[in-house]
Amino acid sequence: QVRLEQSGAEVKKPGASVKLSCKASGYTFTGHHINWVRQTPGQGLEWMGWINPNSGATGYAQKFQGWVTMSRDTSISTAYMEVNRLKSDDTAIYYCARVDYSRGEALDIWGPGTRVTV
Amino acid sequence: SYVLTQPPSVSVAPGQTATIPCGGINIGTRSVHWYQRKPGQAPVLVVYDDSDRPSGIPERFSGSNSGNTATLTISRVEAGDEADYFCQVWDSSSDHFYVFGPGTKVTVL
Repeated sequence: QVRLEQSGAEVKKPGASVKLSCKASGYTFTGHHINWVRQTPGQGLEWMGWINPNSGATGYAQKFQGWVTMSRDTSISTAYMEVNRLKSDDTAIYYCARVDYSRGEALDIWGPGTRVTV
Repeated sequence: SYVLTQPPSVSVAPGQTATIPCGGINIGTRSVHWYQRKPGQAPVLVVYDDSDRPSGIPERFSGSNSGNTATLTISRVEAGDEADYFCQVWDSSSDHFYVFGPGTKVTVL
């Protein structure tokens, strides 16, 4: 079964950093980009960036450049996202999601989300 | 950057049809995907490439896209369809490659 498992909820103080994990199973981890999307309270979905697990290449929405870092460990099929200098408005649910190239690059599998409270 | 619009809410009686529009300039030239998000759960892809359904998604969910509006239609609505629905396009010219609509809350009366 194709799954993305995410790390547990976090509570952080302003100015702190948080590193979230997203473990893939049931498919070839290096075969699909992973995207990170967040949902802030009462708001919609906001795309943050992507990582190519095969090459390690990343791309970020301009808003997040410089304070979000995405990485991966292919030996354990896990993607990571570190958010630095947290602010109260970073309180959100953070999702990782897999890209399906055969479906117009739709995000076909999503993790359950990690709630981060700042 | 490319902007998508959706009505905040749609209400529908059980057994009736819910129609959820997603507006965008010349959206008919793009592939539109739709996601369902129930409270406390991760989003689920329900329609991709305008009108295709992933396996496991009921035929009651259908999509169309033309001109400046894409539409998700839910036929024979059930109580379990109550959720937020988001449209999404991929925009390589935008800072945000994945552009989401603001979401529409579907309430089953």
